Amino acid sequence: QVQLVQSGAEVKKPGASVKVSCKASGYTFTGYFMHWVRQAPGQGLEWMGWINPDSGGTNYAQKFQGRVTMTRDTSISTAYMELRRLRSDDTAVYYCARAPGYHSMDVWGQGTTVTVSS
Amino acid sequence: SYELTQPPSVSVSPGQTASITCSGEKLGDKYASWYQQKPGQSPLLVIYQDDQRPSGIPERFSGSNSGNTATLTIGGTQAMDEADYYCQAWHSSTVVFGGGTKLTVL
Repeated sequence: QVQLVQSGAEVKKPGASVKVSCKASGYTFTGYFMHWVRQAPGQGLEWMGWINPDSGGTNYAQKFQGRVTMTRDTSISTAYMELRRLRSDDTAVYYCARAPGYHSMDVWGQGTTVTVSS
Repeated sequence: SYELTQPPSVSVSPGQTASITCSGEKLGDKYASWYQQKPGQSPLLVIYQDDQRPSGIPERFSGSNSGNTATLTIGGTQAMDEADYYCQAWHSSTVVFGGGTKLTVL
């Protein structure tokens, strides 16, 4: 079955970086965009960007440009999201979600909790 | 930047029809999607391309999109439908989410 499995929870100090992975299975990894969406505690969904696993092309939300990098390793069907210069307000659950091109996100990962605290 | 606006909360009695709106400039010219999220769970796609239901989504979920407003309608609302609902659209190769609507079934 189609599945996205994310890496485990992280605790980071302010100023550090975090890299979250998202392993895809059950479908052709390069056939779907991979989005990253985060949700701060008690807040709504916030889109961070997408990567096209086929070309490696990316598009980041303006808010995160310069601080986020999305990459992929097609040999292991895994996408990555790295966020740098972490602040306390980056504390959130980070989700990966696939989408067939410029369409809806039809499969989501289980989420990765990132806590930023001194 | 493009914005999608949803009411923070909607209440409905069991068995009645719930409607959740999502407003954005010329939203009807784009495709709207809707996601359901229950506490502690990942979002679930319930409507795509304005009015299409993914496999496994009950028929009581329907959608429409015209002008500046997309609407998610849940007919015969059940207690299990109590959740947060988010609309989403694409704008200039980026993704925009609405702020979310908490649906209470009481």
